[in-house]
Amino acid sequence: DGGITQSPKYLFRKEGQNVTLSCEQNLNHDAMYWYRQDPGQGLRLIYYSQIVNDFQKGDIAEGYSVSREKKESFPLTVTSAQKNPTAFYLCASSPSQGGRNEQFFGPGTRLTVL
Amino acid sequence: GENVEQHPSTLSVQEGDSAVIKCTYSDSASNYFPWYKQELGKRPQLIIDIRSNVGEKKDQRIAVTLNKTAKHFSLHITETQPEDSAVYFCAVGGTGGFKTIFGAGTRLFVKA
Repeated sequence: DGGITQSPKYLFRKEGQNVTLSCEQNLNHDAMYWYRQDPGQGLRLIYYSQIVNDFQKGDIAEGYSVSREKKESFPLTVTSAQKNPTAFYLCASSPSQGGRNEQFFGPGTRLTVL
Repeated sequence: GENVEQHPSTLSVQEGDSAVIKCTYSDSASNYFPWYKQELGKRPQLIIDIRSNVGEKKDQRIAVTLNKTAKHFSLHITETQPEDSAVYFCAVGGTGGFKTIFGAGTRLFVKA
């Protein structure tokens, strides 16, 4: 469980503010992913990265941004342009090509917009 | 793009009975089919997976079957126990190798 971490566990934000969620892994995995989880809707892909300095939009990227400056780190910024940001956010990593291999999930960050 | 449907959304069984969860997918090029279990307040964890060159895989009380022609696969849990209560997600991957598409999840209740 300790290979991939997310912080903070709970986050509260006022409307109109940007907020950054942290994701770190020490598994030496190339691929990293951000998912949003809402009740009854499974896991929806926000962004993913296969290699340092490269990332791709997922299915619901609008209102979010990411960076991948280091292999170990893949922070997610929720911007004020995201209309309904209250959700549970999960980061994941995979040795490579996460569509063909197990993904290892972090413990998640629950974001609440006040 | 790939579309994954999962049924049922909720499943309640008596302890000791079997539980079956089914998923269908749309992209015939998909070739990786994992199942994840998420206990309340915890992260999803892989419990079993199958690749398209195998029709069935078993690990103790859990098994997954795959029908590539019909594009569906199922999770079978036998001799259910209260600790099996969780949300189970099917997923599909392989197209392009980068993305995994998840089903909406099944909440399983095992009554003691």
